[in-house]
Amino acid sequence: DGGITQSPKYLFRKEGQNVTLSCEQNLNHDAMYWYRQDPGQGLRLIYYSQIVNDFQKGDIAEGYSVSREKKESFPLTVTSAQKNPTAFYLCASSTANTEAFFGQGTRLTVV
Amino acid sequence: SQQGEEDPQALSIQEGENATMNCSYKTSINNLQWYRQNSGRGLVHLILIRSNEREKHSGRLRVTLDTSKKSSSLLITASRAADTASYFCATDARTDNDMRFGAGTRLTVKP
Repeated sequence: DGGITQSPKYLFRKEGQNVTLSCEQNLNHDAMYWYRQDPGQGLRLIYYSQIVNDFQKGDIAEGYSVSREKKESFPLTVTSAQKNPTAFYLCASSTANTEAFFGQGTRLTVV
Repeated sequence: SQQGEEDPQALSIQEGENATMNCSYKTSINNLQWYRQNSGRGLVHLILIRSNEREKHSGRLRVTLDTSKKSSSLLITASRAADTASYFCATDARTDNDMRFGAGTRLTVKP
């Protein structure tokens, strides 16, 4: 099946820990995106990448890091510097100027 | 910062009625897209309208774009209870090729 897969679906983080959220796509899309969504709110752009080995900060990049070593993969690390990481994280991919496909999201909770 | 702003924030209608949602944005764009999100899920693409288009139809959906006013509207005709969801507009800035979302309109269709 072609698509975009996020894992895990649920993730729990202790205070001070780094955690990595996985995002994989087999759609041959060049562009990939990470968003954060808080309850009842819209999507805020964390990072995006238009091509392998290149990425740009979005509006709320502080406390997050990404890599784009392969076209298919765009993992997001939530570092200990992110003081309020509890949220729903969404990954998307697209080709230039076309519709984006979204994963089903990862719900991160700090315990 | 959010690129698009949807209006209204919430809309409640009876089944069979039409629903209209509006989106305003700030910068020049390549295209504007509308997405739907059911609670706790990923987003699903509904329709894309390019900056040189003024109106587009897809089934019960009608989208308009006014680039002079930097605004778009989504009309859902003959609404159904299954249309209950949050609806978001997304734009990609001509200079950045990113994809930013508004805060969304939460639509409730009562049977």
